[in-house]
Amino acid sequence: QVQLVQSGAEVKKPGASVKVSCKTSGYSFTSYIIDWVRQAPGQGLEWMGWINAGTDYTKYSQMFQGRITITRDTSTTTVYMELSSLRSEDTAVYYCVRYNNFDYWGQGTLVTVSS
Amino acid sequence: QAVVTQEPSLTVSPGGTVTLTCGSSTGAVTSGHYPYWFQQKPGQAPKTLIYDTSNKHSWTPARFSGSLLGGKAALTLSGAQPEDEAEYSCFLFYSGSRVFGGGTKLTVL
Repeated sequence: QVQLVQSGAEVKKPGASVKVSCKTSGYSFTSYIIDWVRQAPGQGLEWMGWINAGTDYTKYSQMFQGRITITRDTSTTTVYMELSSLRSEDTAVYYCVRYNNFDYWGQGTLVTVSS
Repeated sequence: QAVVTQEPSLTVSPGGTVTLTCGSSTGAVTSGHYPYWFQQKPGQAPKTLIYDTSNKHSWTPARFSGSLLGGKAALTLSGAQPEDEAEYSCFLFYSGSRVFGGGTKLTVL
């Protein structure tokens, strides 16, 4: 069965970077796009970007341009989302989602940015 | 970047019908925006209910339907159940990017 399993919670200081992983299984990894979405506490969902796991092409939201890098490792069928220059407003739950009509979501990873 | 708008909150009576809408700052929402609708309950990951305006996943209850209405995307819930109380978010596609609306808190009361 299709699964997207994300890495565990992180606590980072302002200015640091965080790299969240999304380990996929149960389907042909290179046939799908993976999106990243986040949700700050008490706030709505925010789209961050996506990667085509087959071609390695990426598309990022203008809101994160210059701070976000999404990569993939085909040998481990894992997608990574790295966000740099963290600030307190980046405290959120980060989700990976398979773009097949957004059918499968990861369980979410809480990233807390605090001094 | 475009702004996607939703009603902040709505209330529906059990068994009643309610329509949530999703508008775009760039003009009328069309099928070319491929509207999606998501349901999220507290402490849970979102669940995708509707994709490409009106298509349902296998897990989407039949009482939910998607459409275009008056220049907006719409999610209609017919025969609301207590378990439908949740946050509902939409998003629209803009040339490869996606933009979420702010979400609608739906109360079944």
